[in-house]
Amino acid sequence: DVKVTQSSRYLVKRTGEKVFLECVQDMDHENMFWYRQDPGLGLRLIYFSYDVKMKEKGDIPEGYSVSREKKERFSLILESASTNQTSMYLCASSFGLAGVNELGTDTQYFGPGTRLTVL
Amino acid sequence: ILNVEQSPQSLHVQEGDSTNFTCSFPSSNFYALHWYRWETAKSPEALFVMTLNGDEKKKGRISATLNTKEGYSYLYIKGSQPEDSATYLCAPIYGSARQLTFGSGTQLTVLP
Repeated sequence: DVKVTQSSRYLVKRTGEKVFLECVQDMDHENMFWYRQDPGLGLRLIYFSYDVKMKEKGDIPEGYSVSREKKERFSLILESASTNQTSMYLCASSFGLAGVNELGTDTQYFGPGTRLTVL
Repeated sequence: ILNVEQSPQSLHVQEGDSTNFTCSFPSSNFYALHWYRWETAKSPEALFVMTLNGDEKKKGRISATLNTKEGYSYLYIKGSQPEDSATYLCAPIYGSARQLTFGSGTQLTVLP
């Protein structure tokens, strides 16, 4: 079974702090994703990575950066946390990429989420 | 950003009832559609991936249909059980977009 783990289930930080959210997958997937989920808005893509050291902006990258130094690990960084970044953050991984690789290989496997509160 | 709508936003049904809900999406340049189920305190899990107009997929008591020409998909649950309580998310893919665009989900509660 694919396992995607996230470093924390709950996190409380103060405005202006630098925040690191870590995600690790154990299935040798090429692609990893960071989403945030807010009530009524569904999952919104922040960034994704299709290879080590490669990244691409999603729909809402402002205020975030990412790092992928190793294939299994994808980090989301909030350089200076703000209250509007209070949210549930989910990491996902997939073998293939939607619209690029064989259909079905783009199925995403999600971590349990990190609920971040910025005070 | 694409407009993916799911309706209703939430619903409550009695155990044993059958139910269905809708995912509407732009049909232009459509490539495929994913359905996910997200139970409270768990991770979202893939249910189906569909691509052809008229596609129908089934997994136990859950099935889904796809109409790519008019841009909608229905998810059906036959004989709902409390363990079906979850948020159901659809996510269409367009062209070679490389990313899924998730709807806001339908939150289903099955009352015993």
